[in-house]
Amino acid sequence: NAGVTQTPKFRILKIGQSMTLQCAQDMNHNYMYWYRQDPGMGLKLIYYSVGAGITDKGEVPNGYNVSRSTTEDFPLRLELAAPSQTSVYFCASGTGERSPLHFGNGTRLTVT
Amino acid sequence: DAKTTQPPSMDCAEGRAANLPCNHSTISGNEYVYWYRQIHSQGPQYIIHGLKNNETNEMASLIITEDRKSSTLILPHATLRDTAVYYCIVRVAFGNNRKLIWGLGTSLAVNP
Repeated sequence: NAGVTQTPKFRILKIGQSMTLQCAQDMNHNYMYWYRQDPGMGLKLIYYSVGAGITDKGEVPNGYNVSRSTTEDFPLRLELAAPSQTSVYFCASGTGERSPLHFGNGTRLTVT
Repeated sequence: DAKTTQPPSMDCAEGRAANLPCNHSTISGNEYVYWYRQIHSQGPQYIIHGLKNNETNEMASLIITEDRKSSTLILPHATLRDTAVYYCIVRVAFGNNRKLIWGLGTSLAVNP
């Protein structure tokens, strides 16, 4: 199993541009999550999904959108990128809402 | 979910045991203690969790005090690859991963 795969690894955006961060898992996990990690800070939950077709907001959802059309994929969309969205983004998955999380290796995004 | 307090940094000699403390003095009877670690530039990795009994797996041991107000993660024979940030998190038994509070963790440096 590849586990949780995130692409791209790095990206630089100009203010106002948009992009999609990809996340795929091959463990057949129903639960998937998007976190951001700012320098010197803990992880903050952006969005999560409990299964295909079901998504909901986390702690810091503003400026982001998600979709979950399949069990495997959980892309995160940034519209109108802002410098405040400069961060490292992690995708995670789990078998249940209380199960240990499996993380990808992150996407490092810079907005200038 | 209760918050945790961890020392910001620790050092350990290679081959020795690394003992990472965590204070969770406001923990409730139904809250689990989880440990994750994050090796530089990678996503967090689940290590171990427990409720009240001591736990051991192939990666580490978790010792929880009788009053459950603190715990210690033990890496029995630390290697250079154990250099990472270690996060101690508590979670309600019937809560969910959406409510996890990720602090700043303990930065462990294993020295040769």
